[in-house]
Amino acid sequence: QKEVEQNSGPLSVPEGAIASLNCTYSDRGSQSFFWYRQYSGKSPELIMFIYSNGDKEDGRFTAQLNKASQYVSLLIRDSQPSDSATYLCAVKGGSNYKLTFGKGTLLTVNP
Amino acid sequence: DAGVTQSPTHLIKTRGQQVTLRCSPKSGHDTVSWYQQALGQGPQFIFQYYEEEERQRGNFPDRFSGHQFPNYSSELNVNALLLGDSALYLCASSSGPSIDQPQHFGDGTRLSIL
Repeated sequence: QKEVEQNSGPLSVPEGAIASLNCTYSDRGSQSFFWYRQYSGKSPELIMFIYSNGDKEDGRFTAQLNKASQYVSLLIRDSQPSDSATYLCAVKGGSNYKLTFGKGTLLTVNP
Repeated sequence: DAGVTQSPTHLIKTRGQQVTLRCSPKSGHDTVSWYQQALGQGPQFIFQYYEEEERQRGNFPDRFSGHQFPNYSSELNVNALLLGDSALYLCASSSGPSIDQPQHFGDGTRLSIL
């Protein structure tokens, strides 16, 4: 079982719709969860982080965490073509200092 | 507020050569992590430096080594380059020893091995 799993996509949504990106992780000791956006040929950009169960909202972005189900998601409301990118889920567990990444989900927002 | 800076941007080497990549952390950050990202994959952790010591290491061979300087900048050295070392090398910085601190990435160094 891979440590962090994401649907590779591509996920295609129309402009203005809600994009839902999902991630599961295997280490129950994981404590910190991060979402990065990566445009083609660029480096990852931190867009959200969440540490506690529940929802965390920042503008059009909402991160959701369910530690019992080992599941974290990212919702993007009012999706824009500029949101088209690969979204990487990353997890830090227990005494681990490293980020463990999924392979990423490619999101395409169609005008 | 300067972000994480990496140099060089691109590098072309041949098999067997050695390479040094450099990173300056974001202002106020004292912890530097290095990652390797192959095409179509998520970044893979190489190691992390804090207080000039390697604090944690990922599953990379000893050919990969690093250093952190008193000003918190860092170098990644790779010896005896292999074709499989071709990748985007990312430096990320964070603040303090807490494992919860978010890591911010630089623009990366794209290394091509011929």
